[in-house]
Amino acid sequence: EVQVVQSGAEVKNPGEFLKISCQGSGYNFADYWVGWVRQMPGKGLEWMGLFYGANSETRYSPSFQGQVTISGDKSINTAYLQWSSLEASDTAMYYCATTRDGNTHWDNWGQGTLVTVSP
Amino acid sequence: QSALTQPASVSGSPGQSITISCTGTGSDIGAYNYVSWYQQHPGKAPKVIIYGVSSRPSGVSNRFSGSKSGSTASLTISGLQAEDEADYYCNSYRGGLYVFGTGTTVTVL
Repeated sequence: EVQVVQSGAEVKNPGEFLKISCQGSGYNFADYWVGWVRQMPGKGLEWMGLFYGANSETRYSPSFQGQVTISGDKSINTAYLQWSSLEASDTAMYYCATTRDGNTHWDNWGQGTLVTVSP
Repeated sequence: QSALTQPASVSGSPGQSITISCTGTGSDIGAYNYVSWYQQHPGKAPKVIIYGVSSRPSGVSNRFSGSKSGSTASLTISGLQAEDEADYYCNSYRGGLYVFGTGTTVTVL
């Protein structure tokens, strides 16, 4: 059974560094894409970017290019989303989702990581 | 990267059918049969209910159906039930990335 588990909620100050994780089990990480999705309070879903486990290829949605860094470690089936300097506007729920390479729908989702940025 | 356009809200009575539209462009919905739909209940992660325009994952009720015409995709919920009250998002492949719709809140009257 495929499972995706995200790291826990974070409360940070503006300007701080943050790296959150998304760990998969029950599947070969190298055969899957991981996507990161932002949901700001009371708002809709937005794609941030994608990571491919086989070769670490990373793609960013234009709105998020240069704002975050997506990475992964296939030795531990884990993808990451990081900020070098958080802003209050980064306060949101962040979901990761996976899809097998060749598929175009996202059928396994993490439980979400709530990031709160407040002085 | 602009989102796909959905109506903000749709409502219906139990047992009725409702349809949610999702309008894109020739670069996304119009170019690929890679439209999927996600249901999100409050405080929960999204769940895929339709993929490849009209296919249903195992375990998803056959009351949910999808279609596409040109650059507009649609999700129909037939025999509306109280448990269908949720937010719904369309999603399409767009040149190496993906884009969500603006989201539709379904209310069961």
